[in-house]
Amino acid sequence: AQSVTQLGSHVSVSEGALVLLRCNYSSSVPPYLFWYVQYPNQGLQLLLKYTTGATLVKGINGFEAEFKKSETSFHLTKPSAHMSDAAEYFCAVSYSGGYQKVTFGTGTKLQVIP
Amino acid sequence: EAGVAQSPRYKIIEKRQSVAFWCNPISGHATLYWYQQILGQGPKLLIQFQNNGVVDDSQLPKDRFSAERLKGVDSTLKIQPAKLEDSAVYLCASSTTEQYFGPGTRLTVT
Repeated sequence: AQSVTQLGSHVSVSEGALVLLRCNYSSSVPPYLFWYVQYPNQGLQLLLKYTTGATLVKGINGFEAEFKKSETSFHLTKPSAHMSDAAEYFCAVSYSGGYQKVTFGTGTKLQVIP
Repeated sequence: EAGVAQSPRYKIIEKRQSVAFWCNPISGHATLYWYQQILGQGPKLLIQFQNNGVVDDSQLPKDRFSAERLKGVDSTLKIQPAKLEDSAVYLCASSTTEQYFGPGTRLTVT
């Protein structure tokens, strides 16, 4: 069984400050990990993904995440927050076998303060 | 490349009525998913198709929900009869190696 825990349902940062959204996963097999962003009244958009290889993954809009197997974490960061980053962010886990069932976390709503 | 299309975007019905949602995946994507996203929660998988076969429907309330994917392309999700707790956004996604989501259908049951 696989699961995802996102710490903090709401995170507020000042414009220009570091963004850090936390995600821990549980998986009995090597995981695939994803971060999605959801803007109001829209579907989910893939920010970045980790499957194999380099553990530091760069995504769109200046976001990146690092896969740390020893900590079972996949935290999302961005050095400098922009107003347009205000949205809800979802961490998700899948795995390489089977039919790619994806399990989502409960989401973290990011507020950017001017 | 066209994205995942869903219709309608919004639907308001009374409890005990029926409703249907339609999804057209990205061309060539064999895997199609329906998710339910309740306000304040992450998406919950309802059903997953591989071509026109069901590979996971373990969380689909089969007494009221049904889904089909004829010819392995378009899919419909139906709720009959609807309950108040079915109020949610219903997301369709399709994939090869990663999922692409449609804009969703926001259902309000009154």
